Amino acid sequence: EAQVTQNPRYLITVTGKKLTVTCSQNMNHEYMSWYRQDPGLGLRQIYYSMNVEVTDKGDVPEGYKVSRKEKRNFPLILESPSPNQTSLYFCASSLSVGPRSYNEQFFGPGTRLTVL
Amino acid sequence: DQQVKQNSPSLSVQEGRISILNCDYTNSMFDYFLWYKKYPAEGPTFLISISSIKDKNEDGRFTVFLNKSAKHLSLHIVPSQPGDSAVYFCAASEIRRRGATNKLIFGTGTLLAVQP
Repeated sequence: EAQVTQNPRYLITVTGKKLTVTCSQNMNHEYMSWYRQDPGLGLRQIYYSMNVEVTDKGDVPEGYKVSRKEKRNFPLILESPSPNQTSLYFCASSLSVGPRSYNEQFFGPGTRLTVL
Repeated sequence: DQQVKQNSPSLSVQEGRISILNCDYTNSMFDYFLWYKKYPAEGPTFLISISSIKDKNEDGRFTVFLNKSAKHLSLHIVPSQPGDSAVYFCAASEIRRRGATNKLIFGTGTLLAVQP
């Protein structure tokens, strides 16, 4: 089954304790992305990756890091989480980029993060 | 500054009737628009899209209309079914721009409740 998986699904942590949210896709997609969803703000892009070893900032990258060492995985790293990073996080992937790209992105089930 | 706006946080419709969800955007460079549907505890799933070269796209019970001059799009669901109850996100992208990154700009979502 084609899917995007995220782990953990729920996480409660404390300020300053480093954490990683994993994301994996089995569709051989080149493009992967992280979004956060907050009330009244919709989904906002944090980071994206066009391919292995190619990553760039989205609209709200502060406080986050990512890596893309393999095509299927795109972990989101919070080196020192703060309460304002409490949010619902979604990983997404799509086949490629560009004018003829198949632009519909497949989303993971979400990770609910609470930073105390 | 919200580039994609969904001004109705919620909508209630009777089963069998038409549901109309609205979305406005401000960036005239957007050339591709998508609707996503989201159930609780799941990630958004792609529903339907439309390119800026069209003004209508239909897929079964779902039709999206695009009015470029008004920078407005709408999603029509006919007939509405209880299983359509979900949050609907409008999203926009610039897929033909040089250096396009597949970034989606999302609205804040509309919660649709279809009453049996």
